[in-house]
Amino acid sequence: GAVVSQHPSWVICKSGTSVKIECRSLDFQATTMFWYRQFPKQSLMLMATSNEGSKATYEQGVEKDKFLINHASLTLSTLTVTSAHPEDSSFYICSASAGTGILYEQYFGPGTRLTVT
Amino acid sequence: EDKVVQSPLSLVVHEGDTVTLNCSYEVTNFRSLLWYKQEKKAPTFLFMLTSSGIEKKSGRLSSILDKKELFSILNITATQTGDSAIYLCAVAGNKLVFGAGTILRVKS
Repeated sequence: GAVVSQHPSWVICKSGTSVKIECRSLDFQATTMFWYRQFPKQSLMLMATSNEGSKATYEQGVEKDKFLINHASLTLSTLTVTSAHPEDSSFYICSASAGTGILYEQYFGPGTRLTVT
Repeated sequence: EDKVVQSPLSLVVHEGDTVTLNCSYEVTNFRSLLWYKQEKKAPTFLFMLTSSGIEKKSGRLSSILDKKELFSILNITATQTGDSAIYLCAVAGNKLVFGAGTILRVKS
């Protein structure tokens, strides 16, 4: 149980284009979903927290107009990187929790490797 | 600012050895501490600890939390090459904060 999928697993896009990454909880309802990014040889950095049906809460330093998060249903959250630039190249990982906030275990998706050329 | 520090940063052992990974933290409004194993892709959940002194065990892995001294350890006994991974400690306070991880390499 507790499977989270992400799509796509990797994507290469040109500078200036937008990329959408999907995160789905396959066998449970995810009240809360989290988006992280991870640079090579570094740990995960939380970008934003989203609860179903409400606006995402972004961490300090994360541009909400650049990283659009939508949590439209209890099984799907999307992250759109708008007007991507090479410095946005990173490993993006989502996680989902069956509870509200961080009191519950988070289950991670397999990640999406984004390369912006 | 919330902080999670893991040690050692990396470790090389031989199969069969026992290893202890450390995680110390300073967070506001502590709720739980979590351990994850990360291989090539996203982290997989190992343990969640909320109470001091209660060991959690799964096969050859075990973990314990000391909320007074603000640290946790993850033990792996009889290590195998498949244990080679990055082990991440994360602490849930007002948000989930990850440590930098310990890179474990088990040589055959």
